[in-house]
Amino acid sequence: GENVEQHPSTLSVQEGDSAVIKCTYSDSASNYFPWYKQELGKRPQLIIDIRSNVGEKKDQRIAVTLNKTAKHFSLHITETQPEDSAVYFCAASIGYGGSQGNLIFGKGTKLSVKP
Amino acid sequence: EPEVTQTPSHQVTQMGQEVILRCVPISNHLYFYWYRQILGQKVEFLVSFYNNEISEKSEIFDDQFSVERPDGSNFTLKIRSTKLEDSAMYFCAGGAGISYNEQFFGPGTRLTVL
Repeated sequence: GENVEQHPSTLSVQEGDSAVIKCTYSDSASNYFPWYKQELGKRPQLIIDIRSNVGEKKDQRIAVTLNKTAKHFSLHITETQPEDSAVYFCAASIGYGGSQGNLIFGKGTKLSVKP
Repeated sequence: EPEVTQTPSHQVTQMGQEVILRCVPISNHLYFYWYRQILGQKVEFLVSFYNNEISEKSEIFDDQFSVERPDGSNFTLKIRSTKLEDSAMYFCAGGAGISYNEQFFGPGTRLTVL
């Protein structure tokens, strides 16, 4: 089955710096890659996603890149702010036609943004 | 904006007891999921449900677990005989399908088995 590896497990940056979190996946059939942000005691919140027919997607300060050949994808956060501090999870799934596959998550990255 | 809701927010039970966790998905969602997250660990898939039947389940989802959508709105997860290691946060999630794969999570139920 699918396996998702995520690095680093913790990341500390100064406010205003960029943060990059990387994930690899094992199943070449995976075609949907979301990123979730989870604040302490809260639900995972979808912040951005990318499908396998796209190499890059950007939403304001957040961007995600996908390399299908290497089976890895990354989250980039620019101009980090203290409120970006949270645990970030990558995930992979297989969706086909109108159906929707379950998500396999990485182990998470605890991002700390120091003011 | 509609959100997935879950009840209760916290459930404390004795080992061996049955628990039922409840979820109300967003009305236009067609795919429903249960995930769990042991404290400090990653989110793990348990089961997916579509068209009133289980579509996929993980190794975690053994005979002690069952899911139901009894009335077309609620989506429940039952654990027949809880074990200490079932203590975790249980998240319900849903998605609309139809070429979209986004899944939206509920706030979770924290299950504590004593």
